[in-house]
Amino acid sequence: SQKIEQNSEALNIQEGKTATLTCNYTNYSPAYLQWYRQDPGRGPVFLLLIRENEKEKRKERLKVTFDTTLKQSLFHITASQPADSATYLCALDRASGTYKYIFGTGTRLKVLA
Amino acid sequence: EAGVTQFPSHSVIEKGQTVTLRCDPISGHDNLYWYRRVMGKEIKFLLHFVKESKQDESGMPNNRFLAERTGGTYSTLKVQPAELEDSGVYFCASSQDFTGSAFFGQGTRLTVV
Repeated sequence: SQKIEQNSEALNIQEGKTATLTCNYTNYSPAYLQWYRQDPGRGPVFLLLIRENEKEKRKERLKVTFDTTLKQSLFHITASQPADSATYLCALDRASGTYKYIFGTGTRLKVLA
Repeated sequence: EAGVTQFPSHSVIEKGQTVTLRCDPISGHDNLYWYRRVMGKEIKFLLHFVKESKQDESGMPNNRFLAERTGGTYSTLKVQPAELEDSGVYFCASSQDFTGSAFFGQGTRLTVV
């Protein structure tokens, strides 16, 4: 069955630096790969979606890459700020139209001022 | 526009009791999903409604869990009788279609003692 691993449970980074989070999957390539942000006591908030035929997506300071050969997605936050501190979740959707997401356990990012 | 709303935000019940969780999706969203996160684990899919019909309930743990969506608006998830391992955070999400992301509620934290 599909398994997702996010590189580390926690990541500390200095303000202004680029944070890079990793999402690796083990089995089939998903139709969609999404990144969510989750703050304590809140539900996940959608950030970016990348499709299997796309290599890269950008939104403001966020960038997602998708390498189906490596079975990996990288999530970058450039010019990181303390307000970016949160848990970031990677989620896969096997086929378009299901939303039967498979989530990773998340990486807790802390941006130090 | 109101987001996905879940009630209650917290619930503490004794083993053997019944609890009903409610989710109000974003108005006009036909698709409604339930997910669950147990302590230390990833968020896992429970089921998916399209309007009032259950599209996929393959993630429901057992027959102690009953989800309904009468009239295709709000949904309830009943756990009867509750067991200790049912403790966790239950998330509801909704989407208008399958071309974008799902919007999550803040979750209901269920503690069974």
